[in-house]
Amino acid sequence: GENVEQHPSTLSVQEGDSAVIKCTYSDSASNYFPWYKQELGKRPQLIIDIRSNVGEKKDQRIAVTLNKTAKHFSLHITETQPEDSAVYFCAASTEDGTSYGKLTFGQGTILTVHP
Amino acid sequence: SAVISQKPSRDICQRGTSLTIQCQVDSQVTMMFWYRQQPGQSLTLIATANQGSEATYESGFVIDKFPISRPNLTFSTLTVSNMSPEDSSIYLCSVKHRASGYTDTQYFGPGTRLTVL
Repeated sequence: GENVEQHPSTLSVQEGDSAVIKCTYSDSASNYFPWYKQELGKRPQLIIDIRSNVGEKKDQRIAVTLNKTAKHFSLHITETQPEDSAVYFCAASTEDGTSYGKLTFGQGTILTVHP
Repeated sequence: SAVISQKPSRDICQRGTSLTIQCQVDSQVTMMFWYRQQPGQSLTLIATANQGSEATYESGFVIDKFPISRPNLTFSTLTVSNMSPEDSSIYLCSVKHRASGYTDTQYFGPGTRLTVL
């Protein structure tokens, strides 16, 4: 089955700096890669996702890049703010047509943004 | 997006007892999932709740311990049976929802925090 490795496990940055979280996956059939943000005591919230037909996707201060050859994808957060502090999870799945199967999650990254 | 509610939000139970967690969605969804998240850990899929048929369990999870029902396209229950302290965790319901014209997106419920004494 799929295995997703996520690094780093913790990341501390100063407000305004950029943060990068990286994930690698094992199953070459995986083609859907969402990122979730989980604030303390809250549910995971989808913040961005990417499918294998594109190499990069941006949404304001957040971007995700995908390298299918190397089987890794990354989350980039620019101009970080204290409210970006949370646990971030990457995930991978195989999507066929308009649906996808079960998500396999990475271990999570605790991001702390210091004012 | 789909609005998901779970009951109870938290509970403290004695070992050997069982707890049933309910998940309600405000719209019909194709697939519903149950996850476990132990303190400080990632999300682990317990099973996929299939409407009208038995749930599909992941390796390490069995029906006798985690029976699941899904009587319709908006509701599911997960029972944690014969509980032990190792079952203390957050249990999350999750659904795949398709907004009109788009592909599926997976959303999570607020979770049920279970403590077993």
